[in-house]
Amino acid sequence: EVQLVESGGGLVQPGRSLKLSCVASGFTFSNYGMNWIRQAPGKGLEWVAYISSGSSYIYYAETVKGRFTISRDNAKNTLYLQMTSLRSEDTALYYCARWRYFDYWGQGVMVTVSS
Amino acid sequence: DVLMTQTPVSLPVSLGGQVSISCRSSQSLVHSDGNTYLHWYLQKPGQSPQLLIYRVSNRFSGVPDRFSGSGSGTDFTLKISRVEPEDLGVYYCLQSTHFPDTFGAGTKLELK
Repeated sequence: EVQLVESGGGLVQPGRSLKLSCVASGFTFSNYGMNWIRQAPGKGLEWVAYISSGSSYIYYAETVKGRFTISRDNAKNTLYLQMTSLRSEDTALYYCARWRYFDYWGQGVMVTVSS
Repeated sequence: DVLMTQTPVSLPVSLGGQVSISCRSSQSLVHSDGNTYLHWYLQKPGQSPQLLIYRVSNRFSGVPDRFSGSGSGTDFTLKISRVEPEDLGVYYCLQSTHFPDTFGAGTKLELK
């Protein structure tokens, strides 16, 4: 069974950093590109970042470029999102999902940026 | 970025009825490999989005045949027939032909 489990969220002050993790199981993680998607409270889905299976290709949404860093460790079946210079508008539920069809999603992890 | 315009925003339905949701893209979603990477998702209240239809018209594993997708180029439709209570929630289209991947704003399917 394919599973994606996010962790690392929480309450953080503006300007601080946070690192999210997504542990994958039930499939060959190293064969798939992965994404982070977020959903602000009561809002729609916003794609945040993509990383290819071997980390050769990385893309970011303009809203997070220069502040967020996506990475992965295929030996640990884990996807990461390092978030720096956090803003109130980054407050959202963050999901990881498998590319290209976004066929499997994690349960999401909440990030709240507030003083 | 490719703009995905989803209509309507809200869709009242009676159980057992049929509905259609439209998704239009600002440019063709035909990839250079010949495939069209347009997908549909349902997000039930309090849950993660779940894939219903991939590449325009292919039902994902376990998705009932009440759900069907169609379209080409820039114009796509999701049809739901014989609506059941578990079909209520917010529907999203997503294109993954062009980077960045972009979602429609969502259509809320709710009871009349």
